[in-house]
This record gives sequence, structure tokens and C-alpha cells, in this order.
Amino acid sequence: DAGVTQSPTHLIKTRGQQVTLRCSPKSGHDTVSWYQQALGQGPQFIFQYYEEEERQRGNFPDRFSGHQFPNYSSELNVNALLLGDSALYLCASSRGDSHNQPQHFGDGTRLSIL
Amino acid sequence: QKEVEQDPGPLSVPEGAIVSLNCTYSNSAFQYFMWYRQYSRKGPELLMYTYSSGNKEDGRFTAQVDKSSKYISLFIRDSQPSDSATYLCAMRAAAGNKLTFGGGTRVLVKP
Repeated sequence: DAGVTQSPTHLIKTRGQQVTLRCSPKSGHDTVSWYQQALGQGPQFIFQYYEEEERQRGNFPDRFSGHQFPNYSSELNVNALLLGDSALYLCASSRGDSHNQPQHFGDGTRLSIL
Repeated sequence: QKEVEQDPGPLSVPEGAIVSLNCTYSNSAFQYFMWYRQYSRKGPELLMYTYSSGNKEDGRFTAQVDKSSKYISLFIRDSQPSDSATYLCAMRAAAGNKLTFGGGTRVLVKP
């Protein structure tokens, strides 16, 4: 049973560039959430996708956008990268748009901005 | 003030000891409570998931929730060196899917 998979594992970009991160949810899951985890801190919620729509959003600027595909996989896009965007980006999946289902995380994409 | 407070540690214990972790929170809307374990360069791994106040046990792990005090705990019995990791508490309101995390407590179990 494949868990949540994310790609790429590591990425190095420069300020002002754009990046796309990818996530495939766990088998049987149809809801994807994205989190940003700075070094030494807990993850911060970016947004959640269900039925190909953004359902909930955290306190992140519009530079952060996403997409969910019919096969439930998802992308996170970040434009005009800043040094402060350097972090581990985590994808979590769960079953249904229901609050009583736990979220399972992938191992993340480590993004470094030079 | 953060919505969820967690002592960053590090917490160092000898092998076989009980590890005691806790979080406090300020948002009374939180209804679902989780503990995740995160190894270095890995994603968080779900350990415990609870809804109501009280205790929940799973193997060596016991989670406690006290909604009246806005306080949750995780106990790890018979700790092993492989339990050395960062432990994150997380919680969620009844509506929505957003998890709010504590900053994590680093635990070191010494052989």
C-alpha cells in the first residue's frame, strides 16, 4: 500500500524564480493538504484541496497556489520566490472532506532558495 | 501568543524510562487531537488520534486529552533509542481540515 509520495525530494532555486512541487496521495485518499515547515518549527497549513477545488486556506500570500487533478494528485506552485520560502514542504492526504479522518504525510520536498 | 504551545526540549531520558510530552492550547474550537513523530529528514508519522477528553492507549503509547484545561499529553513507556525523534502535537477544529501544530519536542533516548 503506497503512502503519500512527493517529488522532487530536494530543489534549489534562486530568488524571483517559480517552483512546482508534486504530491500523490495515499491509495484511497481524495483530499490533499499542503504545509510549510521551517527549520526547527512545526508545519504551517497552506491550503487544502478536495474535488479539485481549494476548500480552505491558511495565512499565505497569493504567490502560493495549487491544483488538484482528477486522479487526486496535487501540485503546489510558488511564484516570485523569496529567501524566506526556504523550508520543507509537506503534503498530507486523507479520505473524504470529513474532519474525522486523520491526515497522513509524505516525506516532503526540501526547497532551498539562494 | 501561539495557539499551540509545546516545549522544544531537548528531552533526554535513559532507555526504558517513560517519556512524558505535553501541549497546551488556547483555541476552544479544537476538537481533534493528534500526535505525530518526525525523524530527521522525514515527514510526520501519525502516532495517536483522539477526539474526546480522556485516555487512549496503543501499545507503548498513551494519549491524554483534558479539554477543560486545554492540555494534551503523550506518554511513551519502555522507551527505546529508536524513539529518538521530534514529537509534534497537532489539533483541528470540528469544521475544516486545517491542522495547527505545536513547534515540536526533540526527544533523545540514550542506550
